Amino acid sequence: NAGVTQTPKFQVLKTGQSMTLQCAQDMNHNSMYWYRQDPGMGLRLIYYSASEGTTDKGEVPNGYNVSRLNKREFSLRLESAAPSQTSVYFCAGKGTLGNTIYFGEGSWLTVV
Amino acid sequence: GDSVTQMEGPVTLSEEAFLTINCTYTATGYPSLFWYVQYPGEGLQLLLKATKADDKGSNKGFEATYRKETTSFHLEKGSVQVSDSAVYFCALSDPGRGSTLGRLYFGRGTQLTVWP
Repeated sequence: NAGVTQTPKFQVLKTGQSMTLQCAQDMNHNSMYWYRQDPGMGLRLIYYSASEGTTDKGEVPNGYNVSRLNKREFSLRLESAAPSQTSVYFCAGKGTLGNTIYFGEGSWLTVV
Repeated sequence: GDSVTQMEGPVTLSEEAFLTINCTYTATGYPSLFWYVQYPGEGLQLLLKATKADDKGSNKGFEATYRKETTSFHLEKGSVQVSDSAVYFCALSDPGRGSTLGRLYFGRGTQLTVWP
């Protein structure tokens, strides 16, 4: 049981490049989330998906797009990376029972 | 709106010292409260939680009691170890505001360093 798995773990991009962060969960979560973590800012919600086929914006959606491909997978795309998107990105999931959210191990992204 | 305020760090302690990390919250409903821990280079792990007033969450020697009257959920440990060095995040989830979404509101995190 891998829980929430995200790839890649580390990535360096040049300004203007695009990339997709992948996330998959095997815990049968209905809801999935993408957060970014920046020093002194805690975690901020980028996008979330309450169920397969639905997505909604969080606190800081600008510059990102998401796809809930199926119940297991929720990807985050940067169409044109900017240095302000240098951050650590966390995918997370939550099931139907209880309200505990489980996190992946994080993806360290640097945009130069 | 919902929010979480936790004490600023960093916190530096000697091994076997007593730890308190303060956390207070603002919520319109009846939130569930969480402490997450992040070890260096890793993701966030759930440390403990409490779902209603006066509940005490506990795990790995850490405790926190849900105090509705003071809107607080302070994290405590009687004797810290070097291995407890990590960043600790207080969070809330308010079921009255979209419980099916389960959005968490996080504090900014408190860095704890324990010296031998």
